[in-house]
Amino acid sequence: GDSVTQMEGPVTLSEEAFLTINCTYTATGYPSLFWYVQYPGEGLQLLLKATKADDKGSNKGFEATYRKETTSFHLEKGSVQVSDSAVYFCAHASKAAGNKLTFGGGTRVLVKP
Amino acid sequence: GAVVSQHPSWVICKSGTSVKIECRSLDFQATTMFWYRQFPKQSLMLMATSNEGSKATYEQGVEKDKFLINHASLTLSTLTVTSAHPEDSSFYICSADRSGKANEQFFGPGTRLTVL
Repeated sequence: GDSVTQMEGPVTLSEEAFLTINCTYTATGYPSLFWYVQYPGEGLQLLLKATKADDKGSNKGFEATYRKETTSFHLEKGSVQVSDSAVYFCAHASKAAGNKLTFGGGTRVLVKP
Repeated sequence: GAVVSQHPSWVICKSGTSVKIECRSLDFQATTMFWYRQFPKQSLMLMATSNEGSKATYEQGVEKDKFLINHASLTLSTLTVTSAHPEDSSFYICSADRSGKANEQFFGPGTRLTVL
């Protein structure tokens, strides 16, 4: 069935370090891919998305590229800030699944000053 | 734009009572709303899809008589946890679909339910 797998956290980094969160998926057809972020005490917010192969989503310095050949959508940021501390969720949605979102387990990121 | 609110933000109740959680799209109409459940340090699990004016579609393993969903208008869906028990304690999150596309789902801030 459809699933999303992302690296387990917590990931602890120093400010200005490079962040990578791996995400791979299995899906029927060609899904749209998403990264959501959940800041402490808040609801999920869409961080970025990509709807077809080789698309790159980007926002707030974060990037992720839709890699069809490796079924991956890894999230990267070149220089993290303390304010990036949050839980990050990879997700996908496909028409075959009625456009319902399937989430990965979430990765908690803690950035220390 | 595209704000979704939930009320209450947290609730504590006694075992055996029922609790209603509201989800509202404040500045857009949502034909479809989704209800999720999030356990501590875990991901969101879709419970049901709520369509305005029709019955909700529940995911496998979710008791529809336990979790009553009503989507009475294009801006309001409610989730009622009936005869709540401690194992129902969780974080409940709704989302509203603005355009029928998955990337137009907007999430509420969640409701933390604690059943004593």
